[in-house]
Amino acid sequence: AQSVTQPDIHITVSEGASLELRCNYSYGATPYLFWYVQSPGQGLQLLLKYFSGDTLVQGIKGFEAEFKRSQSSFNLRKPSVHWSDAAEYFCAVVLTSGSARQLTFGSGTQLTVLP
Amino acid sequence: GAVVSQHPSWVICKSGTSVKIECRSLDFQATTMFWYRQFPKQSLMLMATSNEGSKATYEQGVEKDKFLINHASLTLSTLTVTSAHPEDSSFYICSARGPSVQYFGPGTRLLVL
Repeated sequence: AQSVTQPDIHITVSEGASLELRCNYSYGATPYLFWYVQSPGQGLQLLLKYFSGDTLVQGIKGFEAEFKRSQSSFNLRKPSVHWSDAAEYFCAVVLTSGSARQLTFGSGTQLTVLP
Repeated sequence: GAVVSQHPSWVICKSGTSVKIECRSLDFQATTMFWYRQFPKQSLMLMATSNEGSKATYEQGVEKDKFLINHASLTLSTLTVTSAHPEDSSFYICSARGPSVQYFGPGTRLLVL
């Protein structure tokens, strides 16, 4: 079955430490890939996206993500986390074929940042 | 980036009443809008896809007579929760399809007493 998996429900890091949030997808072809962030009680903000080309994509707020076709992964990274990065992070995909073209979300990863 | 607004941001209503939530794309035209529902500590679940000028497409398990969606213009979609009950309490988020990505509204928190 087609799915998006975020294996880590909750991650805690210290401010200034590096961060990696995992995302794996299970589709027949390479979908379009996204990372969104949601602060408490807020909507979603797009951090970055991958459609094609360079597999390392840069996003806002110092985030980057790397697409690895062999691992069906699109992990989100940040070299030094800030307290304001504490939020819920969602990986999402859009199938590149078919007429639906709607986002399918992973279950999310809650990030806690310790002072 | 593109902006999507929702109104109201939160609403409290009595059981049995209807509630209308508006979703507007402020600086682009969106032929397709989406409505999501999010329970606490959970991911977004797509409820329906709304296409301007046509009937919405509902996901399996979503009652179309309870969650009425109207997409009357290229910048406005509305979700009406009819005869709301406490189990309808949730966070409702709309999204509008832009040229290459989906843009999300800030969400509407509904509490049905």
